[in-house]
Amino acid sequence: DIQMTQSPSSLSASVGDRVTITCRASQTIGTFLNWYQQKPGKAPNLLIYETSTLQSGVPSRFSGSGSGTDFTLTISGLQPDDFAIYYCQQSYSTLFTFGGGTRVE
Amino acid sequence: QVQLVQSGAEVKKPGSSVKVSCTASGDTFGSHSVNWVRQAPGQGLEWMGGIVPVFGTRSYAHQFRDRVTLTADEATGTAYMEMSSLKFEDTAIYFCARGGEWDLPRRPFDYWGQGTLVTVSS
Repeated sequence: DIQMTQSPSSLSASVGDRVTITCRASQTIGTFLNWYQQKPGKAPNLLIYETSTLQSGVPSRFSGSGSGTDFTLTISGLQPDDFAIYYCQQSYSTLFTFGGGTRVE
Repeated sequence: QVQLVQSGAEVKKPGSSVKVSCTASGDTFGSHSVNWVRQAPGQGLEWMGGIVPVFGTRSYAHQFRDRVTLTADEATGTAYMEMSSLKFEDTAIYFCARGGEWDLPRRPFDYWGQGTLVTVSS
């Protein structure tokens, strides 16, 4: 199975900050990398798919980049609503796997 | 607008089985896959497996292959996840999530159910 490693596992930030979360795959996955946001007590919500495509309705302060094994989620200008846990997921293999999550607090 | 509605919380004894349902409100699943994702208390997301209801094709994560069975009733737009031989560590929230269409299996999970809490307790 493809292993996904996120870093950091948590970070502390303030409103207005630029936040960067990284995700590394154990083998190349092309650009089949997705990002989800999860808030307490809620289901995950798709933010970005195929590395850099914003899901409909997602604010443009979210962006994604990368290819191969290394990927980045960036939040440009953190807003109060963005404090949550973020997960990456590879969909190159349909034995899907998620990263361990990054808590933004 | 697709909504996935899951069955209610369950409390089960170790060694028993549980069956969780996921219904597409207002539509069937079409040719999309339905995936199941587990989240233990305070932990991350773990993909368990997926099914394409219109074809009945299934795939499972290795660690769930022996104890999980995915089924679906395409006519009613309902998918099921059954887990047997429950252990204390199976206590978790179980989510269903819609994946890509059968010919686009690498698409992300765009709609999610609200989650079903399964508690395994003696």
